[in-house]
Amino acid sequence: GENVEQHPSTLSVQEGDSAVIKCTYSDSASNYFPWYKQELGKGPQLIIDIRSNVGEKKDQRIAVTLNKTAKHFSLHITETQPEDSAVYFCAASIHKGGGADGLTFGKGTHLIIQP
Amino acid sequence: DSGVTQTPKHLITATGQRVTLRCSPRSGDLSVYWYQQSLDQGLQFLIHYYNGEERAKGNILERFSAQQFPDLHSELNLSSLELGDSALYFCASSVGAEAFFGQGTRLTVV
Repeated sequence: GENVEQHPSTLSVQEGDSAVIKCTYSDSASNYFPWYKQELGKGPQLIIDIRSNVGEKKDQRIAVTLNKTAKHFSLHITETQPEDSAVYFCAASIHKGGGADGLTFGKGTHLIIQP
Repeated sequence: DSGVTQTPKHLITATGQRVTLRCSPRSGDLSVYWYQQSLDQGLQFLIHYYNGEERAKGNILERFSAQQFPDLHSELNLSSLELGDSALYFCASSVGAEAFFGQGTRLTVV
């Protein structure tokens, strides 16, 4: 089955700096790669996703890149703000008709924004 | 608010007991997924239902079962509970690939 590795487990950055979280996956059939943000006491919130036919996607301060050959994808957050502090999860799945297979998640990155 | 509703928010029960967790998906979403989140195992996929039919199974124990009803709400049944079943249980729904999670049910087995 799919295996997703995520690094680092903890990332501390100064407010206003950029943060980068990296993930690798093992199953070349995976074609859907979402990122989730989870705040304390809440469910994971989808913040951005990318499909295997796209190399990069951007949404305001958040961007995701995908390298299918190397089987890795990354989340980039620019101009970090205190409200960006949370646990971030990468995930991978195979999307086909009738919905995606279940997501395989990385272990999470605790992002701390230092004021 | 994701639009996915889970009840109850908290549940405390004794070992050996059986509990039922409920999920109401976003309006129009045909897929419902169940996940378990624990400190040692992380977020793990349990099972996927699409329009009432089971589509995929993940790391779901035989003591656990789920179903999706004609109105598309879903229930996760956990039986013969053990201390190690204490965890957060999330439901997610989707119409395409994007899955939206509920706030979860925190299960504590004592």
